[in-house]
Amino acid sequence: AQSVTQLGSHVSVSEGALVLLRCNYSSSVPPYLFWYVQYPNQGLQLLLKYTSAATLVKGINGFEAEFKKSETSFHLTKPSAHMSDAAEYFCAVSDRVRIQGAQKLVFGQGTRLTINP
Amino acid sequence: ETGVTQSPTHLIKTRGQQVTLRCSSQSGHNTVSWYQQALGQGPQFIFQYYREEENGRGNFPPRFSGLQFPNYSSELNVNALELDDSALYLCASSLSAGTQETQYFGPGTRLLVL
Repeated sequence: AQSVTQLGSHVSVSEGALVLLRCNYSSSVPPYLFWYVQYPNQGLQLLLKYTSAATLVKGINGFEAEFKKSETSFHLTKPSAHMSDAAEYFCAVSDRVRIQGAQKLVFGQGTRLTINP
Repeated sequence: ETGVTQSPTHLIKTRGQQVTLRCSSQSGHNTVSWYQQALGQGPQFIFQYYREEENGRGNFPPRFSGLQFPNYSSELNVNALELDDSALYLCASSLSAGTQETQYFGPGTRLLVL
């Protein structure tokens, strides 16, 4: 069964500092990997996804993530944090095998990112 | 703005009651998935509908049921509500036209069971 572990339920950084949110996955087959962001009282917005093209994936709002198969990791980074980045971030995994419909997403527990002025 | 809408936004029910939550998919999407997000947790897959048929189910009891209509809007029904059903319920729509389609999430319905 697939699973995702997000290391650190809370991360706090200063405005302008590097953001690093950690995600490790477990999957018996090469997976698809996703990062979603959730702002207060809102649904989930896709930041980026890895589907076996380039291992370094660039997303919206200046975020990027690197797929490292040897480390089973898909960490999310942003060079310079902005106050508007404060939100909950979820890493998710899905398998590639699908006959019809959409992949089932398996989410991590989430990491709450706080930005200090 | 994802084009996916859910109603109602908030709902309060008592234990044992039944509830129906609604989701309007993005135009042209034929697949809808429902997720339950308990407070402080990541979303958990409940089930998925593809072209009006159930297409996969997570570890949820049969009192969680759903429907998808010809216009691809969808309902989630929960019978015999329990306190632990209190959560944010999210639907996600997508077009099943390949292996890399994106799922677009609605804003959710927050259900409180007293």
